Amino acid sequence: KAGVTQTPRYLIKTRGQQVTLSCSPISGHRSVSWYQQTPGQGLQFLFEYFSETQRNKGNFPGRFSGRQFSNSRSEMNVSTLELGDSALYLCASSSQPRGARNGYTFGSGTRLTVV
Amino acid sequence: DAKTTQPNSMESNEEEPVHLPCNHSTISGTDYIHWYRQLPSQGPEYVIHGLTSNVNNRMASLAIAEDRKSSTLILHRATLRDAAVYYCILVYSGGGADGLTFGKGTHLIIQP
Repeated sequence: KAGVTQTPRYLIKTRGQQVTLSCSPISGHRSVSWYQQTPGQGLQFLFEYFSETQRNKGNFPGRFSGRQFSNSRSEMNVSTLELGDSALYLCASSSQPRGARNGYTFGSGTRLTVV
Repeated sequence: DAKTTQPNSMESNEEEPVHLPCNHSTISGTDYIHWYRQLPSQGPEYVIHGLTSNVNNRMASLAIAEDRKSSTLILHRATLRDAAVYYCILVYSGGGADGLTFGKGTHLIIQP
């Protein structure tokens, strides 16, 4: 059973550019959530999608957006990149929202560096 | 989500049991207790979760206090590969989806 796949693994972008990250959940999982991890702030929730609908969003500016497709694959987009957006972006999937009853499976992340 | 309190770090020896504590005094009846761990340069990995009863799986055991205000993750025989940051998280099982709230976790060091 394939795990959560995130692409690309590494990315270097310039300030002001925009970036799109991709996440393919475990087959059958309809919930996909995104997290940002930085040394200073730790792991922070960005947003969660279930059946193509955004269920909730963390405390991030509008430059961070996402979407989910009918096959449950998800993308997140960051526009007008800032140096502070350099981070490890993690995607997690679950068979139901919140994953309370069965947990989340995380991908290995995309390491974004903004220069 | 209710908050959890964990020690910043713990150290143990290889092949010995490890007991990682977590306090969650404001837990509600609908909160599940989840444990994740993160190895260096990897995403978090699900370890175990429970609601009221103790739980066992191939990775670990979860002991939940009778009043549910604390829990302990037990690694029965630690190996060097268990060195990681361990996160104890309460996950509300009701409606809505707020994502997991990660604290700073416990940095587990395993000595050979």
